[in-house]
Amino acid sequence: DTAVSQTPKYLVTQMGNDKSIKCEQNLGHDTMYWYKQDSKKFLKIMFSYNNKELIINETVPNRFSPKSPDKAHLNLHINSLELGDSAVYFCASSQGKDRLDGYTFGSGTRLTVV
Amino acid sequence: AQTVTQSQPEMSVQEAETVTLSCTYDTSESDYYLFWYKQPPSRQMILVIRQEAYKQQNATENRFSVNFQKAAKSFSLKISDSQLGDAAMYFCAPSQGGSEKLVFGKGTKLTVNP
Repeated sequence: DTAVSQTPKYLVTQMGNDKSIKCEQNLGHDTMYWYKQDSKKFLKIMFSYNNKELIINETVPNRFSPKSPDKAHLNLHINSLELGDSAVYFCASSQGKDRLDGYTFGSGTRLTVV
Repeated sequence: AQTVTQSQPEMSVQEAETVTLSCTYDTSESDYYLFWYKQPPSRQMILVIRQEAYKQQNATENRFSVNFQKAAKSFSLKISDSQLGDAAMYFCAPSQGGSEKLVFGKGTKLTVNP
């Protein structure tokens, strides 16, 4: 009965590869997010979708492309991986700004680029 | 861009004692939300407490309470009767005015000594 599930939990890959991280929520929330947590634990928003529509797109390289096939899913595809992409990526969901009870986070995906 | 300052990179407390973690932020909005999240070594992000800026009453959740000073843009977290399981990184996160986007501080690492 996991509320926000991310797969995989760990991902080790070589520079130049393309990889995807999947996220699904069963809370019925309208909004989903991707955050990146760097080695110093700093959390920064990357993208946000509301009902499959992109609403936040921070300054993120074009190599990162989110996709939301429906409001319960938000996937992150990364092309041409670089060493600096190594981080923990968190998916989260919320009800939306009219009733912001806080985010529910997935357990994170630790991406290591070698 | 909104900034969130957690001035204490690390704090320590004796078991059963009380500790206060500080957070200040900037915003031009009058209506927004504030959150404290906890991240234990398991890396799961856990919502600790939530405050709505238009409410003057400070939020309380069991041993956790906040001191919200709206004019000063201060949102500190008090943990009473500290337990070993409280050891974690704590992040302050106000919403960015009018949206559901949360901006996170750099975190405070809390150690609880037995």
